[in-house]
Amino acid sequence: QSALTQPASVSGSPGQSITISCTGTGTDVGGYNYVSWYQQHPGNAPKLIIYNVSSRPSGVSNRFSGSKSDNTASLTISGLQAGDEGDYYCSSYTSVRTLVFGGGTKLTVL
Amino acid sequence: QVQLQESGPGLVKPSQTLSLTCTVSGGSISSGDYYWSWIRQAPGQGLEWIGYISNSGRTFYNPSLLSRVTISKDTSKNQFSLQLTSVTAADTAVYYCARQWGWTKGIDPWGQGTLVAVSS
Repeated sequence: QSALTQPASVSGSPGQSITISCTGTGTDVGGYNYVSWYQQHPGNAPKLIIYNVSSRPSGVSNRFSGSKSDNTASLTISGLQAGDEGDYYCSSYTSVRTLVFGGGTKLTVL
Repeated sequence: QVQLQESGPGLVKPSQTLSLTCTVSGGSISSGDYYWSWIRQAPGQGLEWIGYISNSGRTFYNPSLLSRVTISKDTSKNQFSLQLTSVTAADTAVYYCARQWGWTKGIDPWGQGTLVAVSS
């Protein structure tokens, strides 16, 4: 099962919105509404910020939102803040009953 | 709330077996409909899901590691463990243990991670 495809980097200014894409196939992203997103700050463990494509765990800011169209899922962060800087990973359930992650996207807040 | 902590050797020789333990506090690994999982991250790289053990003891592994990996649990100690055999330098990574909410609701929380280097 190949890793999901994410852009290597994205950037935005404080207050702006950015979107990170996560492209898979019909056997993972496109086949199930089981996409999650994780935020990872340097030296720290990943933190769950979106599950089931668009649901937010308790305590996660509503500035984070998720969506999906066909084989591509997207994470949008609105009202960018300096603390949003870090790495973002998507993951999806797959047809062979595994979890596959994306390669990660480095977000820089200018 | 549930917290997880990895422990084990930070250095393993090539061809030997990597063994790590995850100690869970704040909740029992025997309760709830959770999977107790291992995930790794090679230096500067992305995340790779290794596998899980459920509260009933059922295991499921990444097919790419199936022949080398075993996940087990000790409910009396509220711990679960990872064994990876015949390691090579490609297995050098930060290894995380975590609670997986089935297949659908993501992985949360995660342990802080432990770096395991494979080198002679």
